[in-house]
Parts: sequence; structure tokens; C-alpha cells
Amino acid sequence: GAVVSQHPSRVICKSGTSVKIECRSLDFQATTMFWYRQFPKKSLMLMATSNEGSKATYEQGVEKDKFLINHASLTLSTLTVTSAHPEDSSFYICSARDLGSSGANVLTFGAGSRLTVL
Amino acid sequence: AQKVTQAQTEISVVEKEDVTLDCVYETRDTTYYLFWYKQPPSGELVFLIRRNSFDEQNEISGRYSWNFQKSTSSFNFTITASQVVDSAVYFCALGTGSARQLTFGSGTQLTVLP
Repeated sequence: GAVVSQHPSRVICKSGTSVKIECRSLDFQATTMFWYRQFPKKSLMLMATSNEGSKATYEQGVEKDKFLINHASLTLSTLTVTSAHPEDSSFYICSARDLGSSGANVLTFGAGSRLTVL
Repeated sequence: AQKVTQAQTEISVVEKEDVTLDCVYETRDTTYYLFWYKQPPSGELVFLIRRNSFDEQNEISGRYSWNFQKSTSSFNFTITASQVVDSAVYFCALGTGSARQLTFGSGTQLTVLP
């Protein structure tokens, strides 16, 4: 089945630094990937839709200059948290849809990346 | 606008008990998809089921079963003979159109005690 890999799974950084999280579709091509954020014991909130070869589409209230998304290839999307602050600490999850599979409407999620900003 | 409500924040059961997780959704779209995902402590979201809006057949998969009722906009999930390994947060989600995006409920933390 479709597999989505996220890296790193955990990252700790100092306030003011930037952190990059990678999301890869391992055995399929994904023209669109989605980035979600999850606070402790909370639901997943869609942050943005990452589109291969074009600009990402951000949800209302998400700072595009804060959360930079680059979808450089059909198998890789990156989320960069710029000038991170403690309030950016969260669990970030990406997802993608394998259009070539019979379950084309099923999103496959990565294992998530837990960011802690000190 | 889409909305998914999981009224049960936390549920605790003893092993071998049956448990039902409720999900109520709102959408104006006539074509939509409903999903259940499991999130164990490791954090990864595990896909459990997808149901199309035009298919109200209930489904059973091993100890899992789902009851989809459009009349009440509900898509409830039942685990029969629960096991400790079923302990996780369960999310109900709604996708519309091409299901490119999902709207998630707030999740239900299920704890199965030995």
C-alpha cells in the first residue's frame, strides 16, 4: 500500500531558529500533499495544501511566511517553520493521496513530526 | 462548511466489552466521504475505513463494524470484544468532492483496561 514518510520524527530547536520537516511519498507520486497540525489531545487542523510546482494554499489564520511549504517534486514536500517560537511546538503531520490506487480517495498519513521549541 | 462532531472525549472499557464511538457530521455537499482513523500513542494515523455518501451499507471487518445512517448524519464505529491494543485516539473525518482535504472530529480517546 501507499506509504508516506516523514522526517525527522522528533526535533528540538532553540527559539529563533528554523526547522525543516520533510514529507515523502515512497511508492507513489503525489501532486498534492497536505500539512496538518495537532496540539496535545486535540484534533488535526489543516494548515495548508502543498501543490507540486506551484504555491501552497494556506488555510485561514496560518501565516505563510511562518510556515514555508515547498513541493519541489512529485514525491517530496517540505514544511519549514521559520524563526520558531515555543508556541510553534506541536505535532505536524503530512498526508498524500495515491491517485493510482483503487483507494484513490483515501489519504495516507505520515508518522508525524513532533517539534519542541525551547 | 463541513463539521464533524465526536461528542465522546474519553471512553474507558474493560477488555472484552463492546464499545461504540459516535460520529455526527454536517455538510451541504451531496457527495462526500466519511473516514475513521486510529491514532495510537506513537502518533501515526492508521486508516480504518472509508464510506461513500451514496453507500449506506453497514460494514463489518473482524471486530470492527460501522453504522452509517444518512438520516441522522451519523457514522458510528463499534469495536466488539475490545482488546488492550485497541487503546488509542480514534478520529472520524469528512471529505467532500474529491476528498482532497479532510475535516476531522476532535477525536475520542479509548482506553481498554485489562
